[in-house]
Amino acid sequence: DAGVIQSPRHEVTEMGQEVTLRCKPISGHDYLFWYRQTMMRGLELLIYFNNNVPIDDSGMPEDRFSAKMPNASFSTLKIQPSEPRDSAVYFCASSLFYEQYFGPGTRLTVT
Amino acid sequence: TQLLEQSPQFLSIQEGENLTVYCNSSSVFSSLQWYRQEPGEGPVLLVTVVTGGEVKKLKRLTFQFGDARKDSSLHITAAQTGDTGLYLCAGGGGNRDDKIIFGKGTRLHILP
Repeated sequence: DAGVIQSPRHEVTEMGQEVTLRCKPISGHDYLFWYRQTMMRGLELLIYFNNNVPIDDSGMPEDRFSAKMPNASFSTLKIQPSEPRDSAVYFCASSLFYEQYFGPGTRLTVT
Repeated sequence: TQLLEQSPQFLSIQEGENLTVYCNSSSVFSSLQWYRQEPGEGPVLLVTVVTGGEVKKLKRLTFQFGDARKDSSLHITAAQTGDTGLYLCAGGGGNRDDKIIFGKGTRLHILP
């Protein structure tokens, strides 16, 4: 199995631009999670899905953030408009039981 | 609000030494997981503990879940440079829809 796949691995964009992060979970996993990691705040859960349905989005910082899961093999996290304080590493993870399997992350820099 | 406090935040020791890092909470968790994260990569699951008092061993790593299921420890015997990384604990509820809460981690650096 290829594991959780995320793209792009690095994204540099200017403030105000739209950013879309992509994730392909492990086949057969029914939960998908989006996290954000910074040195100051650690690993923060943004939103998670079960069988493509959002279960809890209370971690999404504000309306500029949105996430979708149109099918079992694909999810996106969109930031529009982006701001410098959104700079972080964004991880996608999937799970079948309690253990989560993380992707390699997308390092986002907003200038 | 459930919180997991990890200590110490940073630890730098010589290769061959033993160490223990801690994960504490005022809340009870149904399960607790330990992950290791290396630079530029996502966290990788090391172990899951579910029973109060449970001890699990993974080669030189020993994980213990507190009797009250509010805390956990990770002990490394004879640390090696390959143990360097960020160690994260994560606590979960009894239902899969329950949020998993992550601590901020212990950043471990093993000196050769």
